[in-house]
Amino acid sequence: SYELTQPPSVSVSPGQTATISCSADNLGDTFTSWYQQRPGQSPLVVIFKDNQRPSGIPERFSGSNSGNTATLTISGTQAMDEADYYCQAWDSSSAHVVFGGGTTLTVL
Amino acid sequence: VQLVESGGGLVQPGRSLRLSCAGSGFTFGHHGMHWVRQAPGKGLEWIAGINWNSGTIGYAASVKDRFTISRDNAKNSLYLQMDSLRVEDTALYYCARDSLQCYSPSCYRYYYDSLDVWGQGTTVTVSS
Repeated sequence: SYELTQPPSVSVSPGQTATISCSADNLGDTFTSWYQQRPGQSPLVVIFKDNQRPSGIPERFSGSNSGNTATLTISGTQAMDEADYYCQAWDSSSAHVVFGGGTTLTVL
Repeated sequence: VQLVESGGGLVQPGRSLRLSCAGSGFTFGHHGMHWVRQAPGKGLEWIAGINWNSGTIGYAASVKDRFTISRDNAKNSLYLQMDSLRVEDTALYYCARDSLQCYSPSCYRYYYDSLDVWGQGTTVTVSS
C-alpha cells in the first residue's frame, strides 16, 4: 500500500524557517496537500496541489514536491505555528486518500 | 460553510453505530465527501469517500466490509454506518468536504484537490 513518511518531530526557533518533509516513491508524480492540526482542533488545509495556499493562509507557508519528496516550508515561524502537520496524497492505484504519519512542530 | 457530526458514543465490541454529518453554507451535493478518523494520540486515517452522486465509493482496508458510507443530498447529510465494531475503531471521527465542486456525470472521483472543510468530529468509543 502507498505510505507517506514524515519525521515525527521538527523543532525551530521563532523567526527561523521550518521544513517538514514527506516521502514516498514517485511522490512528485501526484499532488500533495498539507494540513495543520493544533491541539484540540480539527485539521486545516494550509497547502494544496503541492504549492497552492488557500485563502486566509499566511504567505509564510509554502510547499514543493519533486521526485520522492514533498516539503512544507514555514518561513519566519511563529509560536502560533506550533502544531501537528500532516501531508496527504491520492493513491490512484487503490483510489485511496493517504495521510502521512504526522510531524509535531515545536517552536522553541 | 460548516460540517457538524453527530451520533458518536460508547458501544460494545461487535455492535453497530451510525454517524451523521450535516453540511450547511454550501451546495452539499456538489462535492465529494469523506470520513477521516483519529485514534487517541494518533494521526489521521482516511476511512471512506463518496462522490457527489454516490456513484463512486471507496473504503480503507481497515473498515472495508464493516463500514458503509452514504449520503442524502436532499438532506445535506453524510452518513457512516459502522457494523461489527472493534476496540481499535475507537477514535474521533471527522467528516470532510472535498474541495472541488464537481457534479457532472464525468465527476466519478470522490477526491480531487484536498479536504478543505472539516467538522469538529464525533467520538466513538468501543469498549466492553
